[in-house]
Amino acid sequence: KQEVTQIPAALSVPEGENLVLNCSFTDSAIYNLQWFRQDPGKGLTSLLLIQSSQREQTSGRLNASLDKSSGRSTLYIAASQPGDSATYLCAVKGGDDKIIFGKGTRLHILP
Amino acid sequence: DTGVSQNPRHKITKRGQNVTFRCDPISEHNRLYWYRQTLGQGPEFLTYFQNEAQLEKSRLLSDRFSAERPKGSFSTLEIQRTEQGDSAMYLCASRHGQGGGNTIYFGEGSWLTVV
Repeated sequence: KQEVTQIPAALSVPEGENLVLNCSFTDSAIYNLQWFRQDPGKGLTSLLLIQSSQREQTSGRLNASLDKSSGRSTLYIAASQPGDSATYLCAVKGGDDKIIFGKGTRLHILP
Repeated sequence: DTGVSQNPRHKITKRGQNVTFRCDPISEHNRLYWYRQTLGQGPEFLTYFQNEAQLEKSRLLSDRFSAERPKGSFSTLEIQRTEQGDSAMYLCASRHGQGGGNTIYFGEGSWLTVV
């Protein structure tokens, strides 16, 4: 059974700092991994999707990496801004087409 | 492309009542998913459809829960005899096609409060 873990559960950093969010998964037989952002009381917004054959994806200040063999992914946020404050969720898709989420990392950027 | 639409956005109901949520996926997305999310937790998988066929149901989905996607377009999630433990946000998502390549898109969710 696939399990997804995100560390840390919460993180506060001063504005302008670079930061890394971690995601690990127990079953390396995944098709892709996706990072989402969720604002309080809202749905999920897709940030980056990494195919199982890829090592990383970049979008603006965000860079996501994937090490499938070790069951790990990181989301790197450069030059953090207060508007980046949200919960970040990692999700993996397996061969059964189910998409399993971690519990998320609550990020707070201090102005 | 108007995105995934969920209705109602908020529902307050008395324990024991039935509630139904509707999800309209992005057009031409043949995969549709339902998730439940409680405070401080990630979304938990409930069930998903390929077109009108329901492919899998989670153990979380007791016999009080039923989901349908009768014409392979919109979907409904019904909860019968609601309990306070059903209070959560119910999220719908859709994506196109099979295989690994396609981004999943979520709606804004339907909040259920059982009093």
